[in-house]
Amino acid sequence: GIQVEQSPPDLILQEGANSTLRCNFSDSVNNLQWFHQNPWGQLINLFYIPSGTKQNGRLSATTVATERYSLLYISSSQTTDSGVYFCAVERRASGSRLTFGEGTQLTVNP
Amino acid sequence: KAGVTQTPRYLIKTRGQQVTLSCSPISGHRSVSWYQQTPGQGLQFLFEYFSETQRNKGNFPGRFSGRQFSNSRSEMNVSTLELGDSALYLCASSWGAWGTYEQYFGPGTRLTVT
Repeated sequence: GIQVEQSPPDLILQEGANSTLRCNFSDSVNNLQWFHQNPWGQLINLFYIPSGTKQNGRLSATTVATERYSLLYISSSQTTDSGVYFCAVERRASGSRLTFGEGTQLTVNP
Repeated sequence: KAGVTQTPRYLIKTRGQQVTLSCSPISGHRSVSWYQQTPGQGLQFLFEYFSETQRNKGNFPGRFSGRQFSNSRSEMNVSTLELGDSALYLCASSWGAWGTYEQYFGPGTRLTVT
């Protein structure tokens, strides 16, 4: 199956700082999604981005499908950005739906 | 439009018992997938249902089963519970069953097996 690696595993920032989270995957994919898991466990959709670049407020993401990686940018971080960020990928006809990375634990201090 | 809903939100069961979890997808979505999240194994795909048929299945024992009803609602059943089944069970829905449709997750059911 597809392997998904996220880095860094842990990230501690001061409020207002910028950060970049990386997701590498081992095979071509049809779907790539970024999620933020809130303290109660729910996965919040951030981006559906199998290729290209998208922006949503202070967050943006870029996927370079040919090089098998995706980046999530968080600018001017806020304490409410704290939590775990997951990258998940999917390949059609693989026998599975989303394969998740292990996540990046982000802590934003005031 | 209402999001994905899951019931119950919390469950405590004893080893050997069985449990049924329920998931209602976003209106119009026909695919429902189930995932298990544990501290040791992370988030893992259990199975997917589309049009009342299981389309894909992850690497889990036969104690884990599911079904989907004609209104796309899905249930997941775990029989003969083990301590290791303690986990957050997440349900996701998407419009289609192939790898190009965005998935949306419910709030999860937190199962504790004692």
